[in-house]
Amino acid sequence: DAGVTQSPTHLIKTRGQHVTLRCSPISGHKSVSWYQQVLGQGPQFIFQYYEKEERGRGNFPDRFSARQFPNYSSELNVNALLLGDSALYLCASSFQAGGPNEQFFGPGTRLTVL
Amino acid sequence: GQQLNQSPQSMFIQEGEDVSMNCTSSSIFNTWLWYKQDPGEGPVLLIALYKAGELTSNGRLTAQFGITRKDSFLNISASIPSDVGIYFCAGFSGAGSYQLTFGKGTKLSVIP
Repeated sequence: DAGVTQSPTHLIKTRGQHVTLRCSPISGHKSVSWYQQVLGQGPQFIFQYYEKEERGRGNFPDRFSARQFPNYSSELNVNALLLGDSALYLCASSFQAGGPNEQFFGPGTRLTVL
Repeated sequence: GQQLNQSPQSMFIQEGEDVSMNCTSSSIFNTWLWYKQDPGEGPVLLIALYKAGELTSNGRLTAQFGITRKDSFLNISASIPSDVGIYFCAGFSGAGSYQLTFGKGTKLSVIP
């Protein structure tokens, strides 16, 4: 079975640009969560979506937005990129929303902002 | 918000030695998850714990959910070179909580 897939693998943008990252969950999973991981730190929660609705949001500015599609795939959008947005963006898939639950991560998208 | 304190930050061990790392919180968690992350990759789920006092094994790995629900530990027995990586604890703080909180990780190096 395919695990969580993310695209693109790597991305280079300049300050002020916009970026869209994509994620496909494990087949049968209805929830997708997004995390930002900067070098040397653990992942930080950005959003969780379940059945196309936002169920949770972390402490990130409004420049970050996301959506989930009927097939449960998801997009993370970041506007007006800043240098500090450079990070590994991880998508996690789970069967249901929230805890207690297991989340399975994709390989991530490495975003570099110049 | 909640924070997880993970220790040690890093450790160097000889191949074949046992390893122990732990995670503590100032608040109660109702789920503990342990992940391993290799460079440039996403975290891989190792063990999930759902009940206070629960002890769960996965091969050479054993993890426990602390009785107070504020801590968890992970043991690796008879370490091998492929155990090298960063180990993260993570948890949900309550029923219906949507935010999985991570520790800062323990970097494990194994000397052959």
